[in-house]
Amino acid sequence: AQSVTQLGSHVSVSEGALVLLRCNYSSSVPPYLFWYVQYPNQGLQLLLKYTSAATLVKGINGFEAEFKKSETSFHLTKPSAHMSDAAEYFCAVTRGGSNYKLTFGKGTLLTVNP
Amino acid sequence: DSGVTQTPKHLITATGQRVTLRCSPRSGDLSVYWYQQSLDQGLQFLIQYYNGEERAKGNILERFSAQQFPDLHSELNLSSLELGDSALYFCASSPEGSGGPKSTDTQYFGPGTRLTVL
Repeated sequence: AQSVTQLGSHVSVSEGALVLLRCNYSSSVPPYLFWYVQYPNQGLQLLLKYTSAATLVKGINGFEAEFKKSETSFHLTKPSAHMSDAAEYFCAVTRGGSNYKLTFGKGTLLTVNP
Repeated sequence: DSGVTQTPKHLITATGQRVTLRCSPRSGDLSVYWYQQSLDQGLQFLIQYYNGEERAKGNILERFSAQQFPDLHSELNLSSLELGDSALYFCASSPEGSGGPKSTDTQYFGPGTRLTVL
C-alpha cells in the first residue's frame, strides 16, 4: 500500500521568501506523485505531477518539485512566495496500473506574511 | 475551472435523512472518482467508476452508494446520515481509468459539495 507524509501541517513564510513544503512517500512500486493546491472554499487544482519522465518537475505558478528516490521525497518549492500562494497544499500518490485512486497527505497550510 | 461540475454546492440536512450528490465529468472523461474531505480524516478516496462500471472501492461506508449513468454523470447517495458525515465531497474525473498503459491520467477535481448534517 502506498502512503504520503507531509511534514508540517502549517508553514508560514514572508512574501519573497523561499517556499519549501515537504512530502515523503511510501510505495512498494514506482509511484506517480502529485501536488494539488486548494484555495479557500474551492476545489483542488493540480500544480504538478511526476510520472517518471524527469525527476525535476515544473508546475504552474512558479512551483517545482524534485523526485528523489533515495530519500523517498517529493518536496515542493517556489523561489519567491507571493501573497496569492496562501492556500492548502496536498501531496498525493498513486501507483498507477489498475489502481488509480489518489492517496493524499494530510495537507500543509501555507501562510504568506507581508 | 476544471470542467467538472458538482451540484448542489451546499446541502444542509438532518440526521437520518438521505441525500444525493451529483457530478458531471469533463467532456470525454470516462472515469469518475468520489472523495470525502473532513477535518479528522483528511481527503479520502471513496469510489471510482469507469464507463458505467464500478472500478475501485476505498473507504466507503455501506450507507453510501454511487452509480455512473450512460451519459457518464455520476451520483453519490448518502443515507441514514450521521453528524460525522458532515464533510466536503469532491468528484474528480479523468480520461481513462481502465488500467491501461496511460496510468498517469490526471484527475481533475470539481468544486465540491459541502454537506452539513444537523
